[in-house]
Amino acid sequence: GAVVSQHPSWVICKSGTSVKIECRSLDFQATTMFWYRQFPKQSLMLMATSNEGSKATYEQGVEKDKFLINHASLTLSTLTVTSAHPEDSSFYICSASGLAGVGEQYFGPGTRLTVT
Amino acid sequence: DAKTTQPTSMDCAEGRAANLPCNHSTISGNEYVYWYRQIHSQGPQYIIHGLKNNETNEMASLIITEDRKSSTLILPHATLRDTAVYYCIVRVAGGSTLGRLYFGRGTQLTVWP
Repeated sequence: GAVVSQHPSWVICKSGTSVKIECRSLDFQATTMFWYRQFPKQSLMLMATSNEGSKATYEQGVEKDKFLINHASLTLSTLTVTSAHPEDSSFYICSASGLAGVGEQYFGPGTRLTVT
Repeated sequence: DAKTTQPTSMDCAEGRAANLPCNHSTISGNEYVYWYRQIHSQGPQYIIHGLKNNETNEMASLIITEDRKSSTLILPHATLRDTAVYYCIVRVAGGSTLGRLYFGRGTQLTVWP
């Protein structure tokens, strides 16, 4: 199957700083990428959908100014958590789809963010 | 909003078949049934998907009822490594944002020796 990587795998930052998480499709071109957040013992929550070269579509309740998403190429999307606070501590997971959302999504291994 | 209902947890003996049910009584004609699983602290892994016919791949089989209101994921010979949370999701295949996945709580499958 297709491979999606995330970097970093874990990060600890201080409250008020910004953190960037990268999501890369390694062996296919990802027309669409998705970002999820998962709190302990909970399910994945879709945050936003991004298509290469266009603005991301955010789910209701997700602050677009706080979670900046850039999908500048067919193999890379980034999520920046701006002015992070302890409540932003979570497991962030990206997924990628090759054909404008058609077919299965391939998930990255996730990034564990801890804000102190 | 998740449009599926799954049991919270299930157990299975190693080497036996694991049958995971899913109800999706409000599924639309253009929605597929997808199954993913998530091993603790990892990203979800795609298992299988289907529209109305039964499907089989190297990982599992998917049985969809004729009225499409429910389905069963079958792991024919469960191993300890199959212990994970299994998610049944219905989604439209196609378009940019139409392919979004909304995860429910899933079923925690525990395979014991």
